[in-house]
Amino acid sequence: GENVEQHPSTLSVQEGDSAVIKCTYSDSASNYFPWYKQELGKGPQLIIDIRSNVGEKKDQRIAVTLNKTAKHFSLHITETQPEDSAVYFCAAVSPTSYDKVIFGPGTSLSVIP
Amino acid sequence: DTEVTQTPKHLVMGMTNKKSLKCEQHMGHRAMYWYKQKAKKPPELMFVYSYEKLSINESVPSRFSPECPNSSLLNLHLHALQPEDSALYLCASSQVRDRATGELFFGEGSRLTVL
Repeated sequence: GENVEQHPSTLSVQEGDSAVIKCTYSDSASNYFPWYKQELGKGPQLIIDIRSNVGEKKDQRIAVTLNKTAKHFSLHITETQPEDSAVYFCAAVSPTSYDKVIFGPGTSLSVIP
Repeated sequence: DTEVTQTPKHLVMGMTNKKSLKCEQHMGHRAMYWYKQKAKKPPELMFVYSYEKLSINESVPSRFSPECPNSSLLNLHLHALQPEDSALYLCASSQVRDRATGELFFGEGSRLTVL
């Protein structure tokens, strides 16, 4: 089955700097890669996603890139703000099993004012 | 604000108790999920319902019993739990087109403590 790895596990950045979180996946059939943000005491919230027919997607200060050949995908947050502090989970979904979203282990991001 | 509502937010129960967790969504989603999340870990899939039928059971112990009474409601019945079952239980929903889309909408969770 699918296995998703995620690095780093913790990340501290100064406010205004950029943050990058990287993930790798094992199942070459996976074609949907969502990113979830979980704030303290809340459920995960989908913040951006990318499908395998696209190499990059941007939404304001966040962007995701996908390298299908290397089975890597990354989340980039620019001009970080304190409210970006949260745990971020990458995930991968295979078209043969859209019911199963396989999460990476998570990255705890702290943005220091 | 989340459109998936979970009750109760907190639950403390003894190992001999029977309790239920409830989840409701009104987005017209036809796939609903139960996830378990331990501290500092990712959500771990327990059950999936698609069109009110159980489609995935990730080998969850029978002391957890899911129920989907209609397309908007999802319950998780708890009986004879163990202290290691203490966790945040998350409900999620998603649209179903040809298959579930993989875009999950989560509730805020029910934090369960088993004494």
